[in-house]
Amino acid sequence: NAGVMQNPRHLVRRRGQEARLRCSPMKGHSHVYWYRQLPEEGLKFMVYLQKENIIDESGMPKERFSAEFPKEGPSILRIQQVVRGDSAAYFCASSSGRVLGEQFFGPGTRLTVL
Amino acid sequence: EDQVTQSPEALRLQEGESSSLNCSYTVSGLRGLFWYRQDPGKGPEFLFTLYSAGEEKEKERLKATLTKKESFLHITAPKPEDSATYLCAVQATSGTYKYIFGTGTRLKVLA
Repeated sequence: NAGVMQNPRHLVRRRGQEARLRCSPMKGHSHVYWYRQLPEEGLKFMVYLQKENIIDESGMPKERFSAEFPKEGPSILRIQQVVRGDSAAYFCASSSGRVLGEQFFGPGTRLTVL
Repeated sequence: EDQVTQSPEALRLQEGESSSLNCSYTVSGLRGLFWYRQDPGKGPEFLFTLYSAGEEKEKERLKATLTKKESFLHITAPKPEDSATYLCAVQATSGTYKYIFGTGTRLKVLA
């Protein structure tokens, strides 16, 4: 059973461009979480999705950020018009929903905004 | 405001030297408290879920305990491969699914 996959692993964008981060959950998992991690800071929750639904987006910035988890295909975190402050590691995690807290994390996408 | 504070920020132990990591939390109502391990350059790895005060969970050399205000991760006779950052998180009962993480404790176990 393959683990959670994220791509790209590293992404470089110039200010004003769009960043699109993809997350393929573990087989059989229908719950996806996205987090942002800055150096020396903890993981910050961004959004929780189930197939075709956004369940909790209370951690998402109000502008420029969006997420989706379509019926088919990976979950996508989209950042429009990136700024230098968006540079961070973005992790997604998937869960079966059976055990609270039991999330399986991907290796992360490291976004650098020039 | 719900928050999680971990201490110490960093800890160096000799192999075999047992110790404890602390996670203090403030939350309106606790749905669960969670421990994860994170190796450099990787995503966190789930260790334990604790639901209520008095609960304990064990896995190999790790034992997690929970009170109404804090949790401890006890590491017994650690080995160098236990070196990692240990993260604590909580989820509140207040209608949100948000996981609130602490900044972690960086553990280094010396051979």
